[in-house]
Amino acid sequence: AQKITQTQPGMFVQEKEAVTLDCTYDTSDQSYGLFWYKQPSSGEMIFLIYQGSYDEQNATEGRYSLNFQKARKSANLVISASQLGDSAMYFCAMREGSGSARQLTFGSGTQLTVLP
Amino acid sequence: GAVVSQHPSRVICKSGTSVKIECRSLDFQATTMFWYRQFPKKSLMLMATSNEGSKATYEQGVEKDKFLINHASLTLSTLTVTSAHPEDSSFYICSARDAKGYGYTFGSGTRLTVV
Repeated sequence: AQKITQTQPGMFVQEKEAVTLDCTYDTSDQSYGLFWYKQPSSGEMIFLIYQGSYDEQNATEGRYSLNFQKARKSANLVISASQLGDSAMYFCAMREGSGSARQLTFGSGTQLTVLP
Repeated sequence: GAVVSQHPSRVICKSGTSVKIECRSLDFQATTMFWYRQFPKKSLMLMATSNEGSKATYEQGVEKDKFLINHASLTLSTLTVTSAHPEDSSFYICSARDAKGYGYTFGSGTRLTVV
């Protein structure tokens, strides 16, 4: 079974509008972390936001917020007031368990295009 | 903040030659380094995990004799693609964590083309 599922291969949004990128996850661990990264065409991985499994509040970082619904195992990324520079590939990722040697498992990604 | 410097950013090599990719943590000690491979428009696939001073742990299906990983110091990890073939052409990216396990710091990636 896929550990991280992103069901939207591509999304379009009008500039200045909000957009939600979906992510569902599968784990039996009680302790886990969920991450969102942005990857522009240059290839670098830009960290956007993090949500811990024990965090009661939804994470927010500027225009980014994470809609964390633990019972549904979903961790959707909401980008408000989209900008042209937001056009990129977006990956949801999960770290299961704790400890520095735990790797990230990535979803298949969503290509976001912001239209002028 | 934490920075991982990855070199080279692009490399073109001939079939049969070896290529070394370096990842250096500039302002922290990378006790664990993860190496990923990414095909165009695809996800990042973990190749191996290395801890400083010990042998790397490879994911299933990754040839350890072909993709040599060395993590001899807390600030340097290398991936050597040996006897490269065109099918090894891909984007390779490293990610480091320190002992406290705060976050994952990614290198900028290496685009390898084997001709």
